[in-house]
Amino acid sequence: QVQLQESGPGLVKPSQTLSLTCTVSGGSISSDNYYWSWVRQPAGKGLEWIGRIYTGGSPNYNPSLKSRVTISVDTSKNQFSLRLGSVTAADTAVYYCVRGYGFPSFFDYWGRGTLVSVSS
Amino acid sequence: DIQMTQSPSSLSASVGDRVAITCRASQSISNSLNWYQLKAGKAPKLLIYTASSLESGVPSRFSGSGSGTDFTLTISSLQREDFATYYCQQGYIVPWTFGHGTKVEIK
Repeated sequence: QVQLQESGPGLVKPSQTLSLTCTVSGGSISSDNYYWSWVRQPAGKGLEWIGRIYTGGSPNYNPSLKSRVTISVDTSKNQFSLRLGSVTAADTAVYYCVRGYGFPSFFDYWGRGTLVSVSS
Repeated sequence: DIQMTQSPSSLSASVGDRVAITCRASQSISNSLNWYQLKAGKAPKLLIYTASSLESGVPSRFSGSGSGTDFTLTISSLQREDFATYYCQQGYIVPWTFGHGTKVEIK
């Protein structure tokens, strides 16, 4: 059974960089059939896709966040990471790491999510 | 971006009721429509993928239908564990986008 677990600071100061890591267990992050994504949900709002990465491929980002986002993968640790720069209070949200599959695309495994608050 | 319009935003229902949630895409997405269930403190769960395919392990009371721009998630007989928030998502074109959610509450 594939499991994903987010980790990282729960509090980030405005203008700083939010950094999260997702550890994948029960399966290889190098599998050709899957990609790895981040999705977030601000309190009381809907879900927003942040971006995705395939191992060995270039990442794709949501244009609304593209200038501030970097997603990377570390196959040796079976982990992938999110960096979001120049954060503001609007970036306060629950952040989920997610496994995605093929085309048509869907998200078949999710982490439980981690709350990141942006506040001084 | 493709806009996903979900309705209703919330509903109250009783155990045993039949419930339907609709999702409309701003352009045709063929059958590239997925449904998820979210509960507080738990990992979100994929219920239906490619409009009508039931994810492994998901009870058969959940079903999906539709193609093009209009889709429906149906719960044939609502159970207590189904009280949650449901989201549709298009997997047709990046950026993937979600509906705004439907909260299913106990009447």
